This record gives sequence, structure tokens and C-alpha cells, in this order.
Amino acid sequence: SQTIHQWPATLVQPVGSPLSLECTVEGTSNPNLYWYRQAAGRGLQLLFYSVGIGQISSEVPQNLSASRPQDRQFILSSKKLLLSDSGFYLCAWSSGIYNEQFFGPGTRLTVL
Amino acid sequence: TQLLEQSPQFLSIQEGENLTVYCNSSSVFSSLQWYRQEPGEGPVLLVTVVTGGEVKKLKRLTFQFGDARKDSSLHITAAQPGDTGLYLCAGFLTSGTYKYIFGTGTRLKVLA
Repeated sequence: SQTIHQWPATLVQPVGSPLSLECTVEGTSNPNLYWYRQAAGRGLQLLFYSVGIGQISSEVPQNLSASRPQDRQFILSSKKLLLSDSGFYLCAWSSGIYNEQFFGPGTRLTVL
Repeated sequence: TQLLEQSPQFLSIQEGENLTVYCNSSSVFSSLQWYRQEPGEGPVLLVTVVTGGEVKKLKRLTFQFGDARKDSSLHITAAQPGDTGLYLCAGFLTSGTYKYIFGTGTRLKVLA
């Protein structure tokens, strides 16, 4: 069966510090991968998606970036965090024609 | 512009009551999913509807896809406290670029 991992689970970082969040998927090959951000109690904002190694599409201009160095690994980064980067970050994978998405447990990021 | 509007945004009901959540758009979707998310966790897929007019049942939950594939509803019969959570619809647009979007979300609280 497929599983998706995210780490860390929680993170508290000062403004201006770098960020690296990692997501890995097991049990599937060549998945589509996604990074979302969710404000408290709100819907999901798509940040990046990837249909293959090295292929990244950005949905929202911001100080975040994403990379996919391996088929089942997706990394979200920032060189300098802003207060507005605080939120709940979710990684997801999908495959198949209906694009059903399967989410990781999320990372709670607080920027102080 | 938010393409998938959900209503109501918040709903607080007593155990045993029935409720309906709506997901509306002016765009046509090739498929539509419903997810439920509990606090601090990632959304979990509940159902996929594909055909206009389709109705799917999952225990006490009934999902319907509009005839024109522009809207959907989720009906819960005899709600229980375990139904509490954030309900999200999401759809894959048929036109334009490859785009999968989430609705604005409905936060449901079922009181014992």
C-alpha cells in the first residue's frame, strides 16, 4: 500500500531563517506531487506541483521554492522566511485520471 | 477568483440532525472529490463522482454530482460527533490548463 511521509511535524523558526520541508512517498511510482498551505480553518492553497523529476510548476509567486530530486521525494524550501509563511503545510500525491489526492500528516510551521 | 464555493462556511448542529453541504461553481468539472479533514491532520478522501447526476452513498453520507457537473452536494443523515471536521470539495477542471482546485471548505461541528 502507498504511504506518504512528511517531516518535521512541527517547526518554529525565526523570521529570515531558511526552511526545508521534506515529503516522501512509498508504494507508488511516478506520482504527481503537490505542496499546499492551509491557514487556520481554511481551504487549501496550492503552492507547487510536479509531474516528474525536476519538473516543478509554481502556482503562487512567493519566497518559497520546491524541488523534486527523486521520483518520490518533494522538498519545499525558502532562503528567508517571512511572518506570513506561517501555516500548515501539506504534501500530497496523486495518480490516475481522476487526480484523487492522498495527503501526508502535514507540518505546522510558526515563524516568529 | 475562487472557482469552487462551499456553503455553509460553518455549521454547528446537534447529534442526530441531518445536514447538507453544497459545492458550487460556474465551471464544468470532469470529476469531483470530497475530503474530510480533522484538526492537525491531512484531508482524507471520501468519494469521487464522475458522471453528471451520479449519486454515491457511504454509510450515512450521500454525495451527488450535478447534472451539468458544475456542482455537488454532501448530505449527512443522523449526524454523529465523529462527523465533526472540515469538509472540502475539489475538482478537476475540464477546460484550460491542467488545474485541480479545492473548495472554500465547510467546518462542521456535531454536538453530543
